Amino acid sequence: AQTVTQSQPEMSVQEAETVTLSCTYDTSESDYYLFWYKQPPSRQMILVIRQEAYKQQNATENRFSVNFQKAAKSFSLKISDSQLGDAAMYFCAYRTRRFQGAQKLVFGQGTRLTINP
Amino acid sequence: DTAVSQTPKYLVTQMGNDKSIKCEQNLGHDTMYWYKQDSKKFLKIMFSYNNKELIINETVPNRFSPKSPDKAHLNLHINSLELGDSAVYFCASSQDFTGRNSPLHFGNGTRLTVT
Repeated sequence: AQTVTQSQPEMSVQEAETVTLSCTYDTSESDYYLFWYKQPPSRQMILVIRQEAYKQQNATENRFSVNFQKAAKSFSLKISDSQLGDAAMYFCAYRTRRFQGAQKLVFGQGTRLTINP
Repeated sequence: DTAVSQTPKYLVTQMGNDKSIKCEQNLGHDTMYWYKQDSKKFLKIMFSYNNKELIINETVPNRFSPKSPDKAHLNLHINSLELGDSAVYFCASSQDFTGRNSPLHFGNGTRLTVT
């Protein structure tokens, strides 16, 4: 079974600085998706970024980018120019690309990110 | 317009009661899900329906019964509520169950408190 581990329960960063959130995962599969979701105090789960394992190029979405290291099974999220609105719980998630159960997301434990003004 | 909406937002009830949480999506998606987030913020899938047919059923007590009257709705009924059922329950939807071109869209969650 796949597992996702986020080893940083909490992180903090000064506004406008850069922060990196870590995520590692364990799988025997070669084809899968990885995601970062954001959960602000409003409780809504918001997709931040996603990466397809067969793509070598790291995904980017504006100030958010990932460092995907497939061999090391590592998928970190970098947030540049941190803003107060980035404060939230961040969840790393894995999903197989196999046909069956393809949308069964496996989540990490989450990292609570605090932005200091 | 809310894409995935759940009601109620908060639900407080006593042990032994039966309660339902409703979910509706207006995205035209074929597949819907229930996820549970426990007190430690850990999220885990419970059920998934594709076009009203059950396709994922994790190890969940049979006191939990999902019902999908049509592909836009997936309700969760819980019988004989227990203290351990206290959690936030998220509904989600996706275009299809392969997910190749469609990420999950989550609702805002229902916080269930069992006293």
